[in-house]
Amino acid sequence: RKEVEQDPGPFNVPEGATVAFNCTYSNSASQSFFWYRQDCRKEPKLLMSVYSSGNEDGRFTAQLNRASQYISLLIRDSKLSDSATYLCVVPGNTPLVFGKGTRLSVIA
Amino acid sequence: NAGVTQTPKFQVLKTGQSMTLQCAQDMNHNSMYWYRQDPGMGLRLIYYSASEGTTDKGEVPNGYNVSRLNKREFSLRLESAAPSQTSVYFCASSEGPGPDTQYFGPGTRLTVL
Repeated sequence: RKEVEQDPGPFNVPEGATVAFNCTYSNSASQSFFWYRQDCRKEPKLLMSVYSSGNEDGRFTAQLNRASQYISLLIRDSKLSDSATYLCVVPGNTPLVFGKGTRLSVIA
Repeated sequence: NAGVTQTPKFQVLKTGQSMTLQCAQDMNHNSMYWYRQDPGMGLRLIYYSASEGTTDKGEVPNGYNVSRLNKREFSLRLESAAPSQTSVYFCASSEGPGPDTQYFGPGTRLTVL
C-alpha cells in the first residue's frame, strides 16, 4: 500500500450538498493526520488536524478509522467557496507525506 | 507577521543555468522544508531541515542543494537546471521536526527551457 492514497475526483456537487472524501494510509503507527486545502495556483493551507477519532469544525468533520487505516473528510451544506483541492496528509518516511489531492467543484 | 515568504515568484531559466530560490519565515519555527508540485504528482519533498544546522534529503533530492542559512532562512539551489525541474516550488515551515502542522509560502513557478 502507498503511504497515502486519495481518490483524485473530481467531485462535482451542487450547492448545499454533503460530500465526503476518503484517504487511506499505510503507517499503522501514525498518530496525527491533517487535511489541507489548496486553491488553484495557491499554496496549501491547513484545514483541520485529526489527532484522535475525529474532529469537527463548523461544516467540516474529519474522522479517523485506525483499524481500517483511513481518514475521511465530510463537508456539509457545500458552498461555492469550498471548490478547491483537498489534500490528505499523514506522517511517513519523511515528516509528512501529502496525498495527491481530491478535487471538489461546487456548482450553483 | 508575513509567515513564510519566497522569492522570486516566477522564473524562467535556460537549460544549464543555475539559480537559488530563497525562503524566509518569521514564526520562529525550527523546521523548514522544500517541496515541488507537478500536475498529477502531488507535493514531493526535496529537502528539509529539522533544525538550524541540519539538512536531510527528502523523496526527490537529485539536482538540488540546500542551505539553512540561519533559523529564519532556507534556500534551494539548482546548480544546472534541466527541463525536468520545471515545477512549482513551495517552501514550508513548522514548529517541530515531527508530524507537525506545516505552513507554506506562496510558491515559485519555475520554467526551464
